[in-house]
Amino acid sequence: QSALTQPPAASGSPGQSVTISCTGTSSNIGNNNYVSWYQQHPGKAPKLMIYDVTKRPSGVPDRFSGSKSGNTASLTVSGLQAEDEADYYCSSYTGSNNLEFGGGTKLTVL
Amino acid sequence: EVQLVQSGAEVKKPGESLKISCQTSGYIFTNFWIGWVRQLPGKGLEWMGIIYPGDSDTRYNPSFQGQVTISADNSISTAYLQWSSVKATDTAIYYCARRAAAPRLDYWGRGTLVTVSS
Repeated sequence: QSALTQPPAASGSPGQSVTISCTGTSSNIGNNNYVSWYQQHPGKAPKLMIYDVTKRPSGVPDRFSGSKSGNTASLTVSGLQAEDEADYYCSSYTGSNNLEFGGGTKLTVL
Repeated sequence: EVQLVQSGAEVKKPGESLKISCQTSGYIFTNFWIGWVRQLPGKGLEWMGIIYPGDSDTRYNPSFQGQVTISADNSISTAYLQWSSVKATDTAIYYCARRAAAPRLDYWGRGTLVTVSS
């Protein structure tokens, strides 16, 4: 059982916005600003989409954005596109150079 | 261009030893941590542990401590994950990933599928 809790599924129609939550504790998400989000398409390796809560790596569309409030981080995908259908995982730094992942959310584009 | 190239799929019997690799290029190997992530069939990502090749400092997720060994060979810019005795429950895809200065995994290997079956 993951220390970071994500909804197992989320969905939206093309063009809509969807937000995926990631709830942790004061020992992980609430304790630092090192929250990341990863996208994983079936049969592929994960890809970094958001880091340090709100930052986007080069090449990631600005439709993807991140935020945090207290012990909960969120990933918002705006202007949903078919290619956004994938699994999304949040991650938080736990200290001692270790990380932990959320259980993952399957995003379906209707 | 940063690249992490993982070794090919493995099929092992329970009790056998196994070592999989992650060969890196495009950056200074000793300057970045390399982590390992497990993905059980149809399941989510699990953090296993990480090594800093610069001084071989290694940290494990307590859930994997004693179950696997993470190592690195700086002469060939390669990190390793090994088991002394695999079990059927080790069947999974294993990813290596580079940890950037801030704790995020910015480059990933394509994964190594490990199948353990009698």
